[in-house]
Amino acid sequence: RKEVEQDPGPFNVPEGATVAFNCTYSNSASQSFFWYRQDCRKEPKLLMSVYSSGNEDGRFTAQLNRASQYISLLIRDSKLSDSATYLCVVTYSWGKLQFGAGTQVVVTP
Amino acid sequence: EPEVTQTPSHQVTQMGQEVILRCVPISNHLYFYWYRQILGQKVEFLVSFYNNEISEKSEIFDDQFSVERPDGSNFTLKIRSTKLEDSAMYFCASSAPGDQPQHFGDGTRLSIL
Repeated sequence: RKEVEQDPGPFNVPEGATVAFNCTYSNSASQSFFWYRQDCRKEPKLLMSVYSSGNEDGRFTAQLNRASQYISLLIRDSKLSDSATYLCVVTYSWGKLQFGAGTQVVVTP
Repeated sequence: EPEVTQTPSHQVTQMGQEVILRCVPISNHLYFYWYRQILGQKVEFLVSFYNNEISEKSEIFDDQFSVERPDGSNFTLKIRSTKLEDSAMYFCASSAPGDQPQHFGDGTRLSIL
């Protein structure tokens, strides 16, 4: 079983709509959780950390469910610039990020 | 905004040759990492480095790989005898103390011929 699993998509989203997707992780000892975004052939860029209580950053909302071992990301009022691959990232030992393969989001006009 | 910088942006090397990839982490960061991403695949952890020694390494990071912080600013990844399968994008990252997020450089594309 993959350590971090994501639906690869693509999720085709009309501009202005809401999109949400999940990520599951297998190691219950996982400590920290993040969403990164990656544009084609570019470096991963931190989108947001994910906290146990859930957190929001503008149009982005992240949730963590430790009992079910999944993390979610919701994007409201999608913009064309939100088109990217969203990487679910988990750490369970010091410093080592475990990446999912990414969920592709395509926002269409 | 401070950033991680990597050089070169693209390196083309003959199989069997040694290659050194360079990174300048963010200046007040103390933790340094290398990751790689083979085209079309996910980002994979290679190694973490703190206090001038390797903290953790993956199974990918075999005897052909080494890391070094030769001075106060650079952090290098050396591949001793490159193989075709080493072709990938290599990302350097750094983080501040206290379980802070890692910030990535824009990568070096390594092509082995």
